[in-house]
Amino acid sequence: QLQLQESGPGLVKPSETLSLTCSVSGGSITISTYYWGWIRQSPGKGLQWIGNIYYSGYSYYNPSLKGRVTMSVDKGKNQFMLKLNSVTATDTAVYFCASYGGPSNSEAFDIWGQGTIVSVSS
Amino acid sequence: SYDLTQPPSVSVSPGQTVSIPCSGEKLGDKYVCWYQQKSGQSPVLVIYQDTKRPSGIPERFSGSTSENTATLTISGTQAMDEADYFCQAWDRNTEAIFGGGTRLTVL
Repeated sequence: QLQLQESGPGLVKPSETLSLTCSVSGGSITISTYYWGWIRQSPGKGLQWIGNIYYSGYSYYNPSLKGRVTMSVDKGKNQFMLKLNSVTATDTAVYFCASYGGPSNSEAFDIWGQGTIVSVSS
Repeated sequence: SYDLTQPPSVSVSPGQTVSIPCSGEKLGDKYVCWYQQKSGQSPVLVIYQDTKRPSGIPERFSGSTSENTATLTISGTQAMDEADYFCQAWDRNTEAIFGGGTRLTVL
């Protein structure tokens, strides 16, 4: 069974870059049906999709994040990464990595990591 | 941008049926899925492609759609179903949109 695990700093200073990694275990990141994504949840709020990436590097992002997002894949390490630059306090959230195209064979996020809390503060 | 609207909260008595709506323009033209999120946990997919249940999701969870509304229905609601529920769809196949979420209270 595929599993996802987020890692990265829990504290980022304003105007700096938030960097997170999602490690994939129990299967290869190059499985052709899977798309890998990041979703965040601000304290007490709803879910916000950040973006998705395919193992080939094809990616698409939430336009509301105004070009601050970059995702990448490291096939050798079976990981995918998120970078969000010029962060402010509004980027404080629980960040989840998730995937679709797996067990449900659909565009629904059917595998989720446990989430990692990132605070933006000086 | 495309919006999905959910009521902030609904309540139900144990054993009763509850429906949670999710509305959006021409939502019936898109596939909708639903996630359950219990306090402090990651979301769990409970309905995908409008009406399908993933393996391991109880039969009491069902989904339906109409022109502008998707609905998650829980029949014979149990205390363990108390959670936040989020609908989600794709806009132009390249942007995932989530509803604001509905807190289900089992009284």
